[in-house]
Amino acid sequence: SQQGEEDPQALSIQEGENATMNCSYKTSINNLQWYRQNSGRGLVHLILIRSNEREKHSGRLRVTLDTSKKSSSLLITASRAADTASYFCATDAQGAQKLVFGQGTRLTINP
Amino acid sequence: KAGVTQTPRYLIKTRGQQVTLSCSPISGHRSVSWYQQTPGQGLQFLFEYFSETQRNKGNFPGRFSGRQFSNSRSEMNVSTLELGDSALYLCASRPAFDSYEQYFGPGTRLTVT
Repeated sequence: SQQGEEDPQALSIQEGENATMNCSYKTSINNLQWYRQNSGRGLVHLILIRSNEREKHSGRLRVTLDTSKKSSSLLITASRAADTASYFCATDAQGAQKLVFGQGTRLTINP
Repeated sequence: KAGVTQTPRYLIKTRGQQVTLSCSPISGHRSVSWYQQTPGQGLQFLFEYFSETQRNKGNFPGRFSGRQFSNSRSEMNVSTLELGDSALYLCASRPAFDSYEQYFGPGTRLTVT
């Protein structure tokens, strides 16, 4: 079963706009990660945020974590066509040491 | 370093058959995890191996099994294939058991007819 739920399930924006995806999870976590997947291929790690962090940046990516609401958001600024992909949040539940993925958000960047 | 490699990339099998998928982790990585990805269930954890020992297991039937060799390469086996086993099987490696970031291979697309 999935630990997290992501919304929206699909997002279509124009190139240059910002894209925001949200993830909610159910149990206490050690950390939360975001991964990208291009068209049925392997996943690529984007960013990790620990449970004691509230915000983290990496290039055009900004991730926030609210452990009281058990939610996270991923913001991609100044989107590019190459950002078209599915984005997944994954949690490492405390004591479990295995990744549990959300259903993903399918992001389409229109040129 | 070379990335995670998975073989074969595509596979077509018939119901009732068995299949073995292979994964070679990044050099130096000792942990290998397997995931199943389907449109309906999404990404689901199958199992993880570290130093040739299964450390974690997901909620899959006993038809799904795996192993890890001394060179950290891993195989997973699915016996008595069912149509519902059609999926993308992803392998991921990480340097140590307490490392969080996982490095994924391109996956094996299994189709059961």
